[in-house]
Amino acid sequence: GQQVMQIPQYQHVQEGEDFTTYCNSSTTLSNIQWYKQRPGGHPVFLIQLVKSGEVKKQKRLTFQFGEAKKNSSLHITATQTTDVGTYFCAGRNFGNEKLTFGTGTRLTIIP
Amino acid sequence: DTAVSQTPKYLVTQMGNDKSIKCEQNLGHDTMYWYKQDSKKFLKIMFSYNNKELIINETVPNRFSPKSPDKAHLNLHINSLELGDSAVYFCASSTRQGGTGELFFGEGSRLTVL
Repeated sequence: GQQVMQIPQYQHVQEGEDFTTYCNSSTTLSNIQWYKQRPGGHPVFLIQLVKSGEVKKQKRLTFQFGEAKKNSSLHITATQTTDVGTYFCAGRNFGNEKLTFGTGTRLTIIP
Repeated sequence: DTAVSQTPKYLVTQMGNDKSIKCEQNLGHDTMYWYKQDSKKFLKIMFSYNNKELIINETVPNRFSPKSPDKAHLNLHINSLELGDSAVYFCASSTRQGGTGELFFGEGSRLTVL
């Protein structure tokens, strides 16, 4: 079945440093979504990428979808304590309702 | 108003018991899901219903039985609870009608089996 892996599993950064999480799917995706889950909270939708090579920005967050539509990345510039949480990518295959979540990257910020 | 609400938020029970978790969404969505999040934070889909019809049924023990009385409700009943069932269970909903098909999650139900 489809697998979606993320690296790193954990990342500790000093406040103000940049952070990147990478997402890799075993199959070509129709689209990919990103979610953030704060500690003790529930996943919250951030963005969806659909086109090959697409890049989208949300303030300090930059999302990228690979040319082959099998990988994606999320980059946070100048992290803040409010960025703490686990970031999940979630991929959807063509003609398939199922959204498969990646393994997640847990980000902690050292003030 | 909470968009996707689950009850109970916490559930502590003994092995072998039967328990249910309820979920309701007021977003008018047509698709609802149950996800299981284990202690390592992995999010695994269990079931999905579209307009009361089961459309996704992952490899889940048949001790788990979902029920959707209408498209705004999706309940999860678990028989003969085992230690390994301890997890946070998230309900979610989405719509196929336009938009991104993003999932809206409930706050989760933390199940602890002793």
